[in-house]
Amino acid sequence: DVVMTQSPLSLPVTLGQPASISCRSSQSLVYSNGNTYLSWFQQRPGQSPRRLIYQVSNRDSGVPDRFSGSGSGTDFTLKISRVEAEDVGVYYCMQHTHWPITFGQGTRLEIK
Amino acid sequence: EVQLVESGGGLIQPGGSLRLSCAASGFTVSSKYMSWVRQAPGKGLEWVSVIYSGGGTNYRDSVRGRFTISRDNSRNTVYLQMNSLRVEDTAVYYCVRDPWDYWGQGTLVTVSS
Repeated sequence: DVVMTQSPLSLPVTLGQPASISCRSSQSLVYSNGNTYLSWFQQRPGQSPRRLIYQVSNRDSGVPDRFSGSGSGTDFTLKISRVEAEDVGVYYCMQHTHWPITFGQGTRLEIK
Repeated sequence: EVQLVESGGGLIQPGGSLRLSCAASGFTVSSKYMSWVRQAPGKGLEWVSVIYSGGGTNYRDSVRGRFTISRDNSRNTVYLQMNSLRVEDTAVYYCVRDPWDYWGQGTLVTVSS
C-alpha cells in the first residue's frame, strides 16, 4: 500500500498568518495517463470531510482562494495564505492513483 | 443538487451483521464509482470498498470476504453488507462519490458486547 505521511500532525496558527501542511507518498503518484491523483480534504469539527483541492492544485468550487495546493511526484503541500477562524479542523491528503486508496494521518489546525 | 444519505448504522455484537444504505439524489449511482470510507472514533479516514460504474468491486484487505458492496439502480442506492463484524470495525461510515466531491453525513456502527 502507498503510505501517505503528513507533517506536522498539529498546527497552531495565529489568525491572519500563513499555514503549510506537507504530504509525502511512499511512491510516485503519477498515473499512467500523466495525471497525479492527490487531493486535500478539510474536516471541520462534527462534519463530514470536504474536498478542497484535487489533482494536486485544482481548487474546488466555493473554496476560498487563500487555499492552494502544489507539488509533484511524491512531495505535496497545502498552503493557507491567511488563516481564518473557520479554517479550524483536520486536513487530510489522499491518493487515488494506486489501489488501495490511502489517506494521510491528518493535520489538526488550531488557532493559537 | 447532489445528496448522499446514509442509514443502517447501530449497535451490534461482535460476529453480527449490518447492512448500510446510501441513498443518492441529483445523479445516477451507476454512472460513478461509489466508495465507502470509515473513521474510527477520534481517528483518521480509511477507505473500505468501491463499486465501479461497470459493477466491479474492490475491498481493503481487512474487510475482504466479510463485507460486500452492491447497488440497486432502480433505487439509486448503494449498500454495504457487513458480516462477521469485529470490535475494530467500529466507526462512522461515509458514502462518497468519485471523484470524491460529495460525501454523505455518515452513519455510526458500534460493534460491542
